[in-house]
Amino acid sequence: QVQLQQSGAELVKPGTSVKLSCKASGYTFTSNHMNWIKQTTGQGLEWIGIINPGSGGTSYNVKFKGKATLTVDKSSSTAFMQLSSLTPEDSAVYYCARGGYGSPYVMDAWGQGASVTVSS
Amino acid sequence: DIQMTQSPSFLSASVGDRVTINCKASQNINKYLDWYQQKHGEAPKLLIYNTNNLQTGIPSRFSGSGSGTDYTLTISSLQPEDVATYFCLQHSSRPLTFGSGTKLEIK
Repeated sequence: QVQLQQSGAELVKPGTSVKLSCKASGYTFTSNHMNWIKQTTGQGLEWIGIINPGSGGTSYNVKFKGKATLTVDKSSSTAFMQLSSLTPEDSAVYYCARGGYGSPYVMDAWGQGASVTVSS
Repeated sequence: DIQMTQSPSFLSASVGDRVTINCKASQNINKYLDWYQQKHGEAPKLLIYNTNNLQTGIPSRFSGSGSGTDYTLTISSLQPEDVATYFCLQHSSRPLTFGSGTKLEIK
């Protein structure tokens, strides 16, 4: 079955970067886009952007341009999101989610989420 | 960006009740509207995509409808396992935007 296994919780200092991973299994990794979503109590759910694992092509929410960088490693069927210049406002749970049903944006499978806490 | 206004934000209903949750978009989203269920401590799960298509494995008591700017998720007969927060998501245009969520509890 389709599974997206995300990396664990991170406690990081302001001004640093963090790289989250999302390992896909149970399907052909390059056949489906991968979305990334941020969830906080205050702002709810926010779409960060999307990557096409086959081509490496990306599209970002303008709000997260310069903050998030999406990449993939096809050899390990893993998607990555690097968050840079971290501030406390970046503290959140981050999800990867596969695009399905013939659409890049219908998220039919989600990772379990990765908690990022930015604190000195 | 397209704004998604979801209502109500909180809903308490009895087992067996018919429950409806609404999302209103700030512009026409051409039925590119999905519904997600998020149980406490879990990731969101897709229920319905493109307004009225049930995700595989989702019980038939869940249904969706709507067009233009107005969309509805209906649970025909509420079950205890339906306690969760429900979100709508528009994917008519980027950036994708979510509703603020409806927290559903059993009375």
